[in-house]
Amino acid sequence: DTEVTQTPKHLVMGMTNKKSLKCEQHMGHRAMYWYKQKAKKPPELMFVYSYEKLSINESVPSRFSPECPNSSLLNLHLHALQPEDSALYLCASSLFLGRPYGYTFGSGTRLTVV
Amino acid sequence: ELKVEQNPLFLSMQEGKNYTIYCNYSTTSDRLYWYRQDPGKSLESLFVLLSNGAVKQEGRLMASLDTKARLSTLHITAAVHDLSATYFCAVDVNDMRFGAGTRLTVKP
Repeated sequence: DTEVTQTPKHLVMGMTNKKSLKCEQHMGHRAMYWYKQKAKKPPELMFVYSYEKLSINESVPSRFSPECPNSSLLNLHLHALQPEDSALYLCASSLFLGRPYGYTFGSGTRLTVV
Repeated sequence: ELKVEQNPLFLSMQEGKNYTIYCNYSTTSDRLYWYRQDPGKSLESLFVLLSNGAVKQEGRLMASLDTKARLSTLHITAAVHDLSATYFCAVDVNDMRFGAGTRLTVKP
């Protein structure tokens, strides 16, 4: 298995909803990442999970909360989002953090907040 | 703070022409990546450049890395319509940082 699987592919949610995005990989990668990509912009790092430690981009609001149940899964819990949070959310993994192996990206979740 | 700058940001080419996209970065790194993104899709890895002087080619695309100049180039040879996409360079310093992207349109 050489893929990063993201579900769902599309999500529409209201501002009072709670939802979760799921990211899974079975490549034995030890680092996983969440990126947010607004239209016509580059991806921006939100969270990194590696060596059982979570690193957070301090600019990410608390309405986004990551969870790593095991080394193959990295979920992103969403609560009380705003319309400006609508974006493509990309999950990625790499063999290790900070090593020249490159990232494998999932197909993304297109999130719309109404 | 690491900065990754691409130029041009927009590129409209005729089929059959050649052109180069440039990627400059502000910190020491010997790891540089190029990705392609089609509208509404995820990122597709094109090239991984891991040392000074690295050159890689795939079809009509060729990427190179000069770590001393902190510069990578993506050269397009004899462009075809299928190459229309947004191309990102990225530098890996603890995590992947992306340039703003070059939106390439190849016209018949």
